[in-house]
Amino acid sequence: GNSVTQMEGPVTLSEEAFLTINCTYTATGYPSLFWYVQYPGEGLQLLLKATKADDKGSNKGFEATYRKETTSFHLEKGSVQVSDSAVYFCALSEGYGSGGSNYKLTFGKGTLLTVNP
Amino acid sequence: DTGVSQDPRHKITKRGQNVTFRCDPISEHNRLYWYRQTLGQGPEFLTYFQNEAQLEKSRLLSDRFSAERPKGSFSTLEIQRTEQGDSAMYLCASSSSMGNTEAFFGQGTRLTVV
Repeated sequence: GNSVTQMEGPVTLSEEAFLTINCTYTATGYPSLFWYVQYPGEGLQLLLKATKADDKGSNKGFEATYRKETTSFHLEKGSVQVSDSAVYFCALSEGYGSGGSNYKLTFGKGTLLTVNP
Repeated sequence: DTGVSQDPRHKITKRGQNVTFRCDPISEHNRLYWYRQTLGQGPEFLTYFQNEAQLEKSRLLSDRFSAERPKGSFSTLEIQRTEQGDSAMYLCASSSSMGNTEAFFGQGTRLTVV
């Protein structure tokens, strides 16, 4: 079956530091890949996505590139801010982009990021 | 439309009691999903509706769990004879089948079984 493995947390950084959160996946087909973010007290929000190999998703200064050869989708940001403190989830869907298939997501365990001023 | 709404936000119940949660999706979304998230884990898929039809159920959804979406709008998730292992955050999400639109999540219902 499908699975997602992401870097164990928590991760603690100082403001303006470089962030990498590793994510690798196992899937039987050609999944779409996502990063979701959960801020304290809020619901999950889509941060970025990539639907095919070599696609780069980007949003709010975060980037991730779909690497089929290494089955990875690492999240990066060049300069983190205190407001980036949240839990980050890597996820995949084999249904997204299949025209009519459902959007069932398989998530990693999440990585807690704390950014200190 | 303010997004996906879940009610209640928190529920504490005694073991053996039945509980029911409600999810109101974004109005134009015809797909609705339920996930369960336990502490330190990512959300796990439970079930999925397209309109009023329940199209997929996870092995995680035991016989004590039932979900409905009677008119293709709001959905309910009922847990009968709750157990302590049912304590979790129950998340609802909705999306549209028109094009490749993302799923939007509600804030969840946190269930504590004592």
